[in-house]
Amino acid sequence: AQKITQTQPGMFVQEKEAVTLDCTYDTSDPSYGLFWYKQPSSGEMIFLIYQGSYDQQNATEGRYSLNFQKARKSANLVISASQLGDSAMYFCAMREGGSTDYKLSFGAGTTVTVRA
Amino acid sequence: DAGITQSPRHKVTETGTPVTLRCHQTENHRYMYWYRQDPGHGLRLIHYSYGVKDTDKGEVSDGYSVSRSKTEDFLLTLESATSSQTSVYFCAISESDRGFNQPQHFGDGTRLSIL
Repeated sequence: AQKITQTQPGMFVQEKEAVTLDCTYDTSDPSYGLFWYKQPSSGEMIFLIYQGSYDQQNATEGRYSLNFQKARKSANLVISASQLGDSAMYFCAMREGGSTDYKLSFGAGTTVTVRA
Repeated sequence: DAGITQSPRHKVTETGTPVTLRCHQTENHRYMYWYRQDPGHGLRLIHYSYGVKDTDKGEVSDGYSVSRSKTEDFLLTLESATSSQTSVYFCAISESDRGFNQPQHFGDGTRLSIL
């Protein structure tokens, strides 16, 4: 079964607008962590933000924030004030607490294109 | 930036030939991982290592083997390459000793084409 689902293969957003990238996850482990990565066209994987299952507040890092809805098992990434440099593929990933090897399960990714 | 170097960065080879990809880290991290990235699949774990000579399989391990004889080096071998193994391969390391919330950091990837 797919552990991470990203249902939006591609999205367009106007510069300076906000964009929300969907991520739903599936786990029976009460302890888990969710990560978002950015992959620009140059190919490198850049870590953006982390949300733990026991964290009381939604994570924020600069223009990135997580809309974490535990009951719905969703961890959507919000990018505010989009910039041309935000054009990239974005991956949601999960680490389950029962794992002692710190593995990540990745979604298929969402491609974001920011228009000027 | 995490000190992770993958080599080669690009390789073209023929079906049936052996191929070895190298991942070298300067961070002294215990955990190392090999992923492949294919359109529509995101990144899928091939093998990982939790210490010198300690390795285990990921979700897409068939046709691949790994070795880790030193903390800093993690090798991925395709014993007899097939066209279905054409992909981009990423190595990652984990700062696991600093806690569950630590991200994996990735190398720049190896683009492998098997003709």
